[in-house]
Order: sequence, then structure tokens, then C-alpha cells
Amino acid sequence: GAVVSQHPSWVICKSGTSVKIECRSLDFQATTMFWYRQFPKQSLMLMATSNEGSKATYEQGVEKDKFLINHASLTLSTLTVTSAHPEDSSFYICSAVGGPPDTQYFGPGTRLTVL
Amino acid sequence: QKEVEQDPGPLSVPEGAIVSLNCTYSNSAFQYFMWYRQYSRKGPELLMYTYSSGNKEDGRFTAQVDKSSKYISLFIRDSQPSDSATYLCAMSGRNQFYFGTGTSLTVIP
Repeated sequence: GAVVSQHPSWVICKSGTSVKIECRSLDFQATTMFWYRQFPKQSLMLMATSNEGSKATYEQGVEKDKFLINHASLTLSTLTVTSAHPEDSSFYICSAVGGPPDTQYFGPGTRLTVL
Repeated sequence: QKEVEQDPGPLSVPEGAIVSLNCTYSNSAFQYFMWYRQYSRKGPELLMYTYSSGNKEDGRFTAQVDKSSKYISLFIRDSQPSDSATYLCAMSGRNQFYFGTGTSLTVIP
């Protein structure tokens, strides 16, 4: 149980295009989901907290107009990287809070490469 | 002071060794304590979960929590090359989550 999926697992796009990443909790409902970014050999960096039915809360330094988050249902949150640039290339990971209480379950990650 | 402190390593041990990974924390409000394992280019995987002081065992893994000292540990017995990964400690309480920076472990055959 407690499986979180992400789609796509790998995406390559041209500079200036927008990319949407989906995060789904497959066997549980998640009121709260998180989006992280991770550079090679570095720690997870929290980008934003996504709560179902309300606006996402972004961490300091994260551009909310560039990284659009929509938590449309209790099992789906999406991250859209708008007008992507090479510096946005990274590994993006989502997590969902599920039972037991106060535990995050992570997705497998999405590798974004912007050319 | 950081909420959670974790030695980043790297830690390198021979196959079969006992591995000890540790984290300290400062917030006594933390109620839940987790250990995650992250392989390269993968999302973190929940390994162990505890919510009280004491030990919890799962196969070769033992999680230990000492709330009085604000100290948690993960022990890996009979370590295997497949255990080579980054291990993250995490803590939560009142819907707040904090992660350690992760310890990189390599088990040498």
C-alpha cells in the first residue's frame, strides 16, 4: 500500500516550452502533497506544499508563476514548469501524506532536461 | 540551530559490517520518526517508521529512538552491496516535516 506515482518519469523539452508533471496517490487519499527538487548529489529541496482545494504554499525563493501547482483532487497534484529554461533542468519529486499519520510517501521522480 | 542534524558522510563499509546511521534533533514536539532510503535517480523509499522511544526491528534494519536525548539511529546488520544508497532521517509533528540532509552509504563487496 501507500504507492505514489509520477508521470512522466523522464522528459526532454526545448527552452521556452511548458512541461506538466503529474503526481498521483494510487491507493490512498492525500489532502497534502509536496513538491521537491533535487540536484545531483544534493539534498531534497522543498519547493511547495500542495493542499487539495486550496492554493499551494511556496517556499521562499520559488517562483509561483513559474512553477504552477494544482491539487485538483485527493489523489492528483500537478506541477507545471512554465517557459522552461536549461537552469530548470533537475529531478523533481513529489510526495503525499498518508497513513500512518504524518508520513510522506514519495513518488519515483521525474527527470526534466531542458535543451 | 537546524531542526535536524545528520552527518552527510560519505560512509564506506565492507560487506557484512554493521552500519550505524544517526540523527539529532532539537524540537521536542516531533512525534513521528522515519528513515528513508534513496537510490540514485529514484525517489526516497520509506524504510522504517516509529512514534515512540525504543527500538523497532524489521529484518536486518533496526530503528532506535531516544526522545530524552533527541537522538535517532538506524542500524543495518549484515550489510549488503544493495544497501548502498543515501539514507534520510525524517521527523514530523503537527503536520510539520523535517528531513536530514542524508548520509551516503557504500557497502563494498
